[in-house]
Amino acid sequence: DAGVTQSPTHLIKTRGQQVTLRCSPKSGHDTVSWYQQALGQGPQFIFQYYEEEERQRGNFPDRFSGHQFPNYSSELNVNALWLGDSALYLCASSSVTSGNTDTQYFGPGTRLTVL
Amino acid sequence: GEDVEQSLFLSVREGDSSVINCTYTDSSSTYLYWYKQEPGAGLQLLTYIFSNMDMKQDQRLTVLLNKKDKHLSLRIADTQTGDSAIYFCAETPMNRDDKIIFGKGTRLHILP
Repeated sequence: DAGVTQSPTHLIKTRGQQVTLRCSPKSGHDTVSWYQQALGQGPQFIFQYYEEEERQRGNFPDRFSGHQFPNYSSELNVNALWLGDSALYLCASSSVTSGNTDTQYFGPGTRLTVL
Repeated sequence: GEDVEQSLFLSVREGDSSVINCTYTDSSSTYLYWYKQEPGAGLQLLTYIFSNMDMKQDQRLTVLLNKKDKHLSLRIADTQTGDSAIYFCAETPMNRDDKIIFGKGTRLHILP
């Protein structure tokens, strides 16, 4: 049973560019959350998707957007990249429909470097 | 407000017990977590405790929760070199699928 998977593993972009990160949830999970972890910090919640809609959002600008597909996988898009967006981006999956019986599982992350 | 605080560093001799402490501010927190992150890796859920419990033990790990003082601790018995990592204290306000609020992490260094 595959856990949460993310792609790519590493990514290098330049300022002003746009980036798309991908996440496949753990089998049986229907909810995907995205977190940004800057160097030396704890992860910060970006947003959460359930039933292909944004369910919750943290304190991130509109440059950060996302999408969830019918198969529950998700994308995180960041537009107009700037140096401060350099971080490890973590995806977590969970199950709403399981009746709150399962916790969130994290993927290995995508390390984004903005030059 | 939502805030989780923990000390940044802890050094422990191999074989001793490690105790990592954490305080949180949200009194409505229902689940409290400890995650482990090794260099260059993602987050591994070590254990969690529901807010109506005051202790949970899982092999070498013991979690203590003082809800009155909003204090959470993680004790690792017989600390090994493989325990060297960053440990994050975290909480969710309501449900297990809710957003997780993390502390900045405690780096555990094992002395030979």
